[in-house]
Amino acid sequence: EDQVTQSPEALRLQEGESSSLNCSYTVSGLRGLFWYRQDPGKGPEFLFTLYSAGEEKEKERLKATLTKKESFLHITAPKPEDSATYLCAVQAEFNKFYFGSGTKLNVKP
Amino acid sequence: GAVVSQHPSRVICKSGTSVKIECRSLDFQATTMFWYRQFPKQSLMLMATSNEGSKATYEQGVEKDKFLINHASLTLSTLTVTSAHPEDSSFYICSARKPGQGARWNTGELFFGEGSRLTVL
Repeated sequence: EDQVTQSPEALRLQEGESSSLNCSYTVSGLRGLFWYRQDPGKGPEFLFTLYSAGEEKEKERLKATLTKKESFLHITAPKPEDSATYLCAVQAEFNKFYFGSGTKLNVKP
Repeated sequence: GAVVSQHPSRVICKSGTSVKIECRSLDFQATTMFWYRQFPKQSLMLMATSNEGSKATYEQGVEKDKFLINHASLTLSTLTVTSAHPEDSSFYICSARKPGQGARWNTGELFFGEGSRLTVL
């Protein structure tokens, strides 16, 4: 069964305290893995696409990596404005996308 | 990135009325759009897949006569909540699939609208 699991459900960090969010997946025929950021009351904002194991993408304090079974979203020296829910999604077939339940990140000043 | 616009962002209506929500891809053509419903503190729940020029595919448990979806052009899909009731109050979000380029033609990044908060009185 195709499935995407994100952990932890919630993460509280002190400003400047680096950490990683995990997205593990069991999908046949991975076509792409996507990371999004969602703020309360808004639609998800696209962050990264990863297509194959070993691929890495970076944007400001965020870095996404991909293996054959999971992806990590590394947050380096986070700031309070990085607080949001981070969603992971996987494309299995042409129009089949599976979403994780998200990790709610809270960065305290 | 790409831009997907969703309108209205907030709507309040009386029970029994119908409400239409629009989703537009502003800078790319989307043969496929998706509609989601999101409950507080929960992830996205896929309601239906909207394909340009054909009937939408609804997920199990979603009433197609209740949630009418039209995808008449490559840049516009609409969701109409018919005979709305208080239990239909929710946050509705659309996404549009931007086709991949070249060798990645069969992939697609999803770009989301800003969401529409529906409140049925």
